Amino acid sequence: DGGITQSPKYLFRKEGQNVTLSCEQNLNHDAMYWYRQDPGQGLRLIYYSQIVNDFQKGDIAEGYSVSREKKESFPLTVTSAQKNPTAFYLCASRQGLNTEAFFGQGTRLTVV
Amino acid sequence: AQTVTQSQPEMSVQEAETVTLSCTYDTSESDYYLFWYKQPPSRQMILVIRQEAYKQQNATENRFSVNFQKAAKSFSLKISDSQLGDAAMYFCAYRTMNSGNTPLVFGKGTRLSVIA
Repeated sequence: DGGITQSPKYLFRKEGQNVTLSCEQNLNHDAMYWYRQDPGQGLRLIYYSQIVNDFQKGDIAEGYSVSREKKESFPLTVTSAQKNPTAFYLCASRQGLNTEAFFGQGTRLTVV
Repeated sequence: AQTVTQSQPEMSVQEAETVTLSCTYDTSESDYYLFWYKQPPSRQMILVIRQEAYKQQNATENRFSVNFQKAAKSFSLKISDSQLGDAAMYFCAYRTMNSGNTPLVFGKGTRLSVIA
């Protein structure tokens, strides 16, 4: 079945460590997005990519990095520079003007 | 920059009753899309309904309908005959129509409880 897969579902990180969240899609979508969800804050855009080898910062990109080497994959690295990384992270993809965005099931990141 | 405001952090409704969730947005554009997404306890985002700004007719999907007031920049969601499975977070979202793959802009959400 076509869809978006995020892994792992739960992730624990020690303070000072980098960690990478995986997002893979087999929908042949050009655009992919990373959102962060905190209670009472809605979904805030971290980074997005409209084509392979290109990406743009969103509203809260500080402390995060991404790569887009393949159309199917858009991994998000949470670096030690992100001061408050504990959150729920959602990946999405979309193709074309008149289409909806499809979301993965999310990764819950906790700093321990 | 576009912004989306949901002024009701929490709402509740009796089963089988009707509830309306509010959403306002700010944009200088004339062509755009508006969406309502549902996020149940599983946290999977599910598209409920969408509206194209150039369409005057309000979108409807079964028990879900919207009241789109373009001049007022208002986009409310009405849920009729509420069911226990409607309990979820609901997010209003905006996307420009001027470019192909621009991101969605979300409101902060409304948590809907359904009382049996």
